[in-house]
Amino acid sequence: QSALTQPASVSGSPGQSITITCAGTSSDVGGYDYVSWYQQHPGKAPKLLIYYVSSRSSGISHRFSGSKSGSTASLTISELQAEDEADYYCSSHTFNTLVIFGGGTKLTVL
Amino acid sequence: QVQLQESGPGLVKPSETLSLTCTVSGGSISGNYWSWIRQPPGKGLEWIGYIYYTGNTNYNPSLKSRLTLSLDTSKNQFSLKLNSVTAADTAVYYCTRTTNFDFPDWGQGTLVTVSS
Repeated sequence: QSALTQPASVSGSPGQSITITCAGTSSDVGGYDYVSWYQQHPGKAPKLLIYYVSSRSSGISHRFSGSKSGSTASLTISELQAEDEADYYCSSHTFNTLVIFGGGTKLTVL
Repeated sequence: QVQLQESGPGLVKPSETLSLTCTVSGGSISGNYWSWIRQPPGKGLEWIGYIYYTGNTNYNPSLKSRLTLSLDTSKNQFSLKLNSVTAADTAVYYCTRTTNFDFPDWGQGTLVTVSS
């Protein structure tokens, strides 16, 4: 099964908002509300930001928010900060396996 | 929040078996699902499989024929065995606690290189 589709890179200036999309199909993102988002800094393990489409994980800033429309999920980061520069991955439950991930998006804070 | 720590050889020869163990601390292995996830160098994440504390398992179909997950509740550990490895299995392997199709707790990861 193919990975979910994310843009390879996005960028934004401090204080701005950015949105990362995660495109799937009716067999994954479009069929279930089990969409999650992870942040990964270089050399570190991923960190759960968002689960169940829009619920923030414990201790995660309100600047991170998630949503879904049809088979595309989105992660929005508002009030962009330098520390937000990282790789971001979406994931979704699928009909034939527990979870598939997106290919990842590198966020650059200009 | 539990802590997880992977351990095992960092180098495995092609065609041999990759074996890793994850030690859980700060909480019990009972009552939870536990997964392995891997990440080839410079690439994205791949879910490998999960094991429930009862021993029930669910594997990624792409790895199912080569994969065995097990656990030892007395040691608060769970383990992965992947046989007949190739260079394509070179990756950082993470152990994680698993909830409703997401992964709130991760180990630091361990790099396993498949090479002769």
